[in-house]
Amino acid sequence: DTAVSQTPKYLVTQMGNDKSIKCEQNLGHDTMYWYKQDSKKFLKIMFSYNNKELIINETVPNRFSPKSPDKAHLNLHINSLELGDSAVYFCASSQDHRGRSYTFGSGTRLTVV
Amino acid sequence: AQSVTQPDIHITVSEGASLELRCNYSYGATPYLFWYVQSPGQGLQLLLKYFSGDTLVQGIKGFEAEFKRSQSSFNLRKPSVHWSDAAEYFCAVGSYSGGGADGLTFGKGTHLIIQP
Repeated sequence: DTAVSQTPKYLVTQMGNDKSIKCEQNLGHDTMYWYKQDSKKFLKIMFSYNNKELIINETVPNRFSPKSPDKAHLNLHINSLELGDSAVYFCASSQDHRGRSYTFGSGTRLTVV
Repeated sequence: AQSVTQPDIHITVSEGASLELRCNYSYGATPYLFWYVQSPGQGLQLLLKYFSGDTLVQGIKGFEAEFKRSQSSFNLRKPSVHWSDAAEYFCAVGSYSGGGADGLTFGKGTHLIIQP
C-alpha cells in the first residue's frame, strides 16, 4: 500500500546507455517532483509537474527528461548516461501546488560504470 | 531565492542526552518548513512541518521544532535521544510563488552520532 513507489530501487548501467526510472503515487496528489541526492547527500530539486504541466525545470542537462503519462505517474528518462549521473533519485508528490502533504518515494540508487 | 543553512555538519550526543539541531532559512515570505530524517540507505521520513499557527510544532519520535521568525530559525529538539536516532537530518523550506510549486530547498544535512 505504498504511497509513492519508485522502480527500480537499484540501477547499475554503463556509460552511454539510456535508462528510465518510474514513479507512481496513489495519493491523488496534483503535483509530482524529482530530486537528486549526490554523493555528499545534498538534495536538489530537478523537476516538478502539476496536472501534467512542467512547472519548474532546474538547470539540469537536457539528457534528463521527465515524462508524465497521467497525474499519478512521473517517470524520469536519462539519455547518454555519464559517470556524474550516479546518485540517488527521489520521486515525491504533494497534495497541491502549495506543497502540502509532501511525500517522498524510497529512492532509486543509480550507479553508472 | 530561498536557502537553508544547517551550520553543524556532524553532531555527537550521548544516549539519553538532549539534542538540538540548528536550521536557519532565508525566504522573503512566510515559509513552509520541514524536518526530514534519513537513515543509511533509506529514504526520507518526515519528522514534522510548519505551515502556520502555533510556532512550536510536535512531530514523530518525540521530536519538536520551534519556528522563530525574528531569527529565521527552525531548530529541531528532542529531550532524550536514543541510539536509533543516529541518522542524517535535513531541514527544508518550501515556497509557493503563486505560479506553481517551487519544490523544497534542502539544507546540507546534519549527521547525528549517538554515543553509548
